[in-house]
Amino acid sequence: TQLLEQSPQFLSIQEGENLTVYCNSSSVFSSLQWYRQEPGEGPVLLVTVVTGGEVKKLKRLTFQFGDARKDSSLHITAAQTGDTGLYLCAGAHYPRGGSNYKLTFGKGTLLTVNP
Amino acid sequence: KAGVTQTPRYLIKTRGQQVTLSCSPISGHRSVSWYQQTPGQGLQFLFEYFSETQRNKGNFPGRFSGRQFSNSRSEMNVSTLELGDSALYLCASKRWATSGAYNEQFFGPGTRLTVL
Repeated sequence: TQLLEQSPQFLSIQEGENLTVYCNSSSVFSSLQWYRQEPGEGPVLLVTVVTGGEVKKLKRLTFQFGDARKDSSLHITAAQTGDTGLYLCAGAHYPRGGSNYKLTFGKGTLLTVNP
Repeated sequence: KAGVTQTPRYLIKTRGQQVTLSCSPISGHRSVSWYQQTPGQGLQFLFEYFSETQRNKGNFPGRFSGRQFSNSRSEMNVSTLELGDSALYLCASKRWATSGAYNEQFFGPGTRLTVL
C-alpha cells in the first residue's frame, strides 16, 4: 500500500507570510501532483512534477520533487487570502496488472490565510 | 468546454437504503474515476472505468459498485448504506493514458452524501 503523509495538517498564517507544506512517502512515484480544493468544490490541479529534483514555479508557488521521487514540497511566498484552501498532494503509480496510473492522495494541509 | 458534472450535488439518505450517483465527463475523456473524501480518511480511490470496463479498483467493500456507459458517462451505486458512507463523492475524468504516459485528471464538484 502506498501512503502519502502531508504536514502540517493545519496551518493558519497572516497575509504576506511565507509557508511550506510537505508531502512524504516511503514509496517511489512516477509523478506527483499538487491540488487545491475549496469548500464545496472538487480539487483543482496546480502542478505535476515528474523528474526527481524537479522544481516548478507557478507565480508565488514553488513546487519541488525530491531526488528519489518519494517526497515533495510546496512553498508559497507572500501568502494572500485567496490562497486559503485545502492543499492535496497525490502520487501516481502503475498498479500491477493495471494499464493506467492510479493516484494515491495525502490527507491534505488546510491553509487559512488571515487578512 | 464544459467541465465534469455530477448529479445530484446533495443527497440525504437513511441507513439501509441505496443510492446512485451520476457523473458526466469532459467531452473526449473516456476514463472516469470515483473517489470518496472524508475528513478522517481524506481522498480515497474507489474505482476507474474506461470503455465500459472497470480498470482499477480501490479497497472498498462490494457495496460500492459502478458502471460506465458507451457515452463515457458513469454511475456509482452504494447499497445498504451505513452511517460511515457519509462523504463527498468525487468523480474525475481524463483521457486514457497508455502505460508510462500521464494525462491530467479533472475533478467534478462532487456529491455530498449524508446518511442518517
